[in-house]
Amino acid sequence: RKEVEQDPGPFNVPEGATVAFNCTYSNSASQSFFWYRQDCRKEPKLLMSVYSSGNEDGRFTAQLNRASQYISLLIRDSKLSDSATYLCVVNTDRGSYIPTFGRGTSLIVHP
Amino acid sequence: GAGVSQSPSNKVTEKGKDVELRCDPISGHTALYWYRQSLGQGLEFLIYFQGNSAPDKSGLPSDRFSAERTGGSVSTLTIQRTQQEDSAVYLCASSSGGLSPLHFGNGTRLTVT
Repeated sequence: RKEVEQDPGPFNVPEGATVAFNCTYSNSASQSFFWYRQDCRKEPKLLMSVYSSGNEDGRFTAQLNRASQYISLLIRDSKLSDSATYLCVVNTDRGSYIPTFGRGTSLIVHP
Repeated sequence: GAGVSQSPSNKVTEKGKDVELRCDPISGHTALYWYRQSLGQGLEFLIYFQGNSAPDKSGLPSDRFSAERTGGSVSTLTIQRTQQEDSAVYLCASSSGGLSPLHFGNGTRLTVT
């Protein structure tokens, strides 16, 4: 089983829609979680950290479910500019801190 | 403030040549990472530096790959005797250490002909 798994998509949604992505992780000892956004031929950029209590940043809401070992990202009122690949990232203290990146979920928002 | 800086942005080299890729992390960041990303693929971890500790080289794909970090700041990734399968975007990232999030540079796009 891969350490971090995501549905590659693409998720094809109209402007204004609400869309949600999930990401599962295999290591129950994982300690920190993030969502990154990557545009085509660009570097990944931090979108938000994910906390156990859940957190929101504008139209974006992230949730962590430790019992089921998944994190989620909800995007409300999708914009054309939200079109990108969303990467799930998990980090664990294994003596060294090396984040593991999921393969990403592709989102396409159309007019 | 300044972000992570990588150079060159693009590098085209002939098979068999050596290349050096440079990364200048965010000032004060103690952790530095190298990843690579082939076209349409996910990020592949290469090497991790934390402060003055010995680097974690567990992701280096072969002994043709090496990296150093001088003075706890700038890092150089060296690929010897490049092969076509080395063609990828090489991404450097830094963080304030521990479980903190990574901040990436723009990457170096390496093409081996």
